[in-house]
Amino acid sequence: GAGVSQSPSNKVTEKGKDVELRCDPISGHTALYWYRQRLGQGLEFLIYFQGNSAPDKSGLPSDRFSAERTGESVSTLTIQRTQQEDSAVYLCASSLGTRGSSNQPQHFGDGTRLSIL
Amino acid sequence: DAKTTQPPSMDCAEGRAANLPCNHSTISGNEYVYWYRQIHSQGPQYIIHGLKNNETNEMASLIITEDRKSSTLILPHATLRDTAVYYCIVSRTNSGGYQKVTFGIGTKLQVIP
Repeated sequence: GAGVSQSPSNKVTEKGKDVELRCDPISGHTALYWYRQRLGQGLEFLIYFQGNSAPDKSGLPSDRFSAERTGESVSTLTIQRTQQEDSAVYLCASSLGTRGSSNQPQHFGDGTRLSIL
Repeated sequence: DAKTTQPPSMDCAEGRAANLPCNHSTISGNEYVYWYRQIHSQGPQYIIHGLKNNETNEMASLIITEDRKSSTLILPHATLRDTAVYYCIVSRTNSGGYQKVTFGIGTKLQVIP
């Protein structure tokens, strides 16, 4: 499809398990972002990729959270030893990421709704 | 990035224009004003953006005051499908292609039949 695709759309898992969330950005978009949205809250920035590198990972809440990107395309967000407070919607966005271009909207997927029991 | 202030909620009658205000008094010269909306259970959707001139596209119009300290998003003929949370953001893309944005709680627009 033409948009940002995330999978799974829903994930329910037990506390302590590891989970892996996937994001397929729009083709040709070099910038990729992960956000977390708790119920009734705004979006919380987690990490930014430019190509396969992550120049800003300042929003990752703990060392249980990690992300990677390969082929300047697909990205995975991994949460190890999940806790109940990790329950949220995890959103991925991509943009052109063109250096020197000052206005580049982000295009979002519909997120993965993660529930930790 | 500059902070924005929006009313937490608004109502609009179906078929009427919805005017959503946003204050961004600390905006800097190279920051753009972006509007996104989030319909329940979906990811945010880009609507429109502008620097200092008014902008219009198929979805909406954006009016930015001359001093750039506030803006208004206008949905000319609101429909029930426009019921959503609307986010006003000011941001810029740095030389490396990175646009750091902060989404607050936005304005919850309810379109009433």
